[in-house]
This record gives sequence, structure tokens and C-alpha cells, in this order.
Amino acid sequence: GAVVSQHPSRVICKSGTSVKIECRSLDFQATTMFWYRQFPKQSLMLMATSNEGSKATYEQGVEKDKFLINHASLTLSTLTVTSAHPEDSSFYICSAKGRTRTYNEQFFGPGTRLTVL
Amino acid sequence: SQQGEEDPQALSIQEGENATMNCSYKTSINNLQWYRQNSGRGLVHLILIRSNEREKHSGRLRVTLDTSKKSSSLLITASRAADTASYFCATDPFSGGGADGLTFGKGTHLIIQP
Repeated sequence: GAVVSQHPSRVICKSGTSVKIECRSLDFQATTMFWYRQFPKQSLMLMATSNEGSKATYEQGVEKDKFLINHASLTLSTLTVTSAHPEDSSFYICSAKGRTRTYNEQFFGPGTRLTVL
Repeated sequence: SQQGEEDPQALSIQEGENATMNCSYKTSINNLQWYRQNSGRGLVHLILIRSNEREKHSGRLRVTLDTSKKSSSLLITASRAADTASYFCATDPFSGGGADGLTFGKGTHLIIQP
């Protein structure tokens, strides 16, 4: 149980386009979802926290107008990278926390590798 | 979120030896978790230790937690080539709401030489 999926797993796009990444909790209701970013050879950095039905909370230095987060249901959160540029190329990972037996634990998706040309 | 520190940043040992990685953090925590990540892949959850626990075992893994020193260690015994990966500690901060993201350490890149 407690599986989180991400789609797509890999995306290559041209500079200036927008990219949407989906994060789904497959077998539990995710009351909170988190988005992380990982640059090559670096650690994960929390970008934002989203609770179902409310606006996301962004970490300092993360532009909310550039990284649009929608958590419309208890099983789906989306991250849209608007007007992507090469410096946005990164590994984006979501995680979900919610109504599971181990309620305090976050479950991570497999990640989405974004390459902006 | 501020990241904790891990040391060493890189560790290369012979297969069969034990590998020890350390992690320090800065804030009060609910729990601390260790993850493994193979190159370019997702995270694999290894073990979670709660703030009121001092030691935990899972197979060849042993984790310790010292909240007074704000530090944790991960020991992998009898290492195998397949253990080659990056290892991250992550702290779940203590907060009433329980809706905070994890703060990850910088990671230790472990190489097991066959």
C-alpha cells in the first residue's frame, strides 16, 4: 500500500513552454502533498506544500507564479512549470502524506526528470 | 528549509566491510528518516526513527539517534555492491500541524568496491 505515482517520468521541452507534472496517490487519500526539486549531484529541496482544496505554501525563493500547484482532490496534485527555461531543468519529486496506517510518513513518487532545451 | 549536514560526502569501501554515515540537523524533530537513491532514480525509504527512540534495526541497517546532539548515524553491515548509492537523511520537523515537508541532508555517496 501507500503508492505514489508521477507522470510523466521524463519530459523534454523547448524554452518558453509550460510543463505539467502529475502526482497521484494510488491507494490512499493524500491530505498533504509536497513538491521537491533535486539538481544534479545535489540533495532534495522542498519547493512547496499543498493541502487539498487550499492554496499551496511555497518555500522561500520559489516563485509561486512560475511553479503553479493545484491540489484539486485527495489523490491528485499537479505542478506546472510555466515558461520553462534551461535553469529549470531538474528532477522533480512529489510526496504525499495522509490517511494511512503510518500517518506521519511521507510516500515519494518516482520523480520526473525535466530537461528544458 | 535549511539542510542538515552529512558526512562523509563520499565513501568508498570494499565489499563486506561496514559503512557508517552520519547526519546532523538543526531543529527539533518528530522523526528522522534515511533514504537511498540510485543514480538518477527515485527515493527508497530505508528506515524511520522517532524522536523518542535511540536505536533501530532493519536487516543489515542500524540507525542511531541522539537528539541531544541533533545527530544520527546509519550503519550498513556486510556491504554489498548493490548498496552503491547515495544515502540521505531527512528530518520531519516537530510541529503541531504535522504538515511540514522533510528537510534533507546533503547526502553521502557510497561506493562499494567488489
